[in-house]
This record gives sequence, C-alpha cells and structure tokens, in this order.
Amino acid sequence: DARVTQTPRHKVTEMGQEVTMRCQPILGHNTVFWYRQTMMQGLELLAYFRNRAPLDDSGMPKDRFSAEMPDATLATLKIQPSEPRDSAVYFCASGSRDTQYFGPGTRLTVL
Amino acid sequence: AQKITQTQPGMFVQEKEAVTLDCTYDTSDPSYGLFWYKQPSSGEMIFLIYQGSYDQQNATEGRYSLNFQKARKSANLVISASQLGDSAMYFCAMREGDNQGGKLIFGQGTELSVKP
Repeated sequence: DARVTQTPRHKVTEMGQEVTMRCQPILGHNTVFWYRQTMMQGLELLAYFRNRAPLDDSGMPKDRFSAEMPDATLATLKIQPSEPRDSAVYFCASGSRDTQYFGPGTRLTVL
Repeated sequence: AQKITQTQPGMFVQEKEAVTLDCTYDTSDPSYGLFWYKQPSSGEMIFLIYQGSYDQQNATEGRYSLNFQKARKSANLVISASQLGDSAMYFCAMREGDNQGGKLIFGQGTELSVKP
C-alpha cells in the first residue's frame, strides 16, 4: 500500500556539517509538507509545496534551511550549517484536502 | 493564543472500555478540517480520522469516531473497545482554509495508556 518514504531514518552529525533529508511522497499527492517535532515545541510546520511550488516556508529558519522539490517524486530538506538546536525528528507528509499521510521521520542528532 | 488545545496530558483506560480524548480549536475561518493522529512509541504518525467543517455527520473509521460539536468548537476522538495496542500519544490537528489541503496546526497531544 502507498506510503511516504524518508531517508535517512537516523542521522548523527557534528555541528557545522550539512544535512540533507529526502522524501518520496505518495504518487498522486500534489501537496508535500515538512514538519519538525521536538519535545519543547511539539509538531510544527517548516514548509510545504503544492504541485512542486513552495506555498509556505515561514516556519523555516531561512539562513540555514532550504526546501526544494526537484521533481514530483522527491522533496529535500537541507540544513547548512547544522546546529545542536536542530536536533529533532523531521517528518515529511503528503496529502490532499482530507488526508495527510506522514513518513516515518528522520531522527537528527547534531553534536 | 492556542489554536488547538488538548487539555489531557495523560489518560488511563481499562482494556475493552471506551475512551474520549478532548480537543478544542479556535478559528474564524468557516472552512477548516480537523484531523486526529496516533503516535506510538515507535515514533510514526498514523492518520486516524478526518472531519470537515461542513460535514453534517460525525466521521467514523472502525473503532474511531469524531464527536464534532461545531458551536462548541470541539472535536473529541472516541475510541471504542480499547485495546492494549491503542496505548500511544494522540494528536489533534486543524487545517484552516486551503481546501486543497493545507498545513496542519497540532495540539500538544494526549498520552493514552490502556490497562489490561
């Protein structure tokens, strides 16, 4: 059955390194989201796309984060340079009006 | 101001009993959607149920039902016949406007523990 896939599932890196997370949305879903989950802030939206065009990236620190959809089957979230406060679980989701399915998440630890 | 409020940080329920998880929301948009997700200890976010603001009937999906009271701005999740596997965090979320499917705003969650 159709699922959102994300890679890597876990990432440990050192402060200052670049991190790239990838997501394959469900085929046919034209809206793709990046969320971040932390204990302190809970679940919050970073950015989302419709038909590959960015609609809202107001939740994303623009100086270090970037999100793109190079094609309909791939969304990327990059952090450069990474900082310890970026440690979190990053979820990709795709959906429509009445559904939004999440991927398994990337657990990022920045030392 | 909180857009989504889940007032129960933690709840216990006996196996096979029903349980209601509370969710209230705040929006001035006439068109919105309400979602519930389950997050077990494995960390995945599992979509459970959706209710649109214009839907006349309460949504149901198997053992899950959404008690939608529009005037009170509440969207409580009812789980019937609880099972041990229902132990998890449950999140209520709202989409405002954007009927093609917009961003979700999440509550802080309720941790449900099902006792044998």
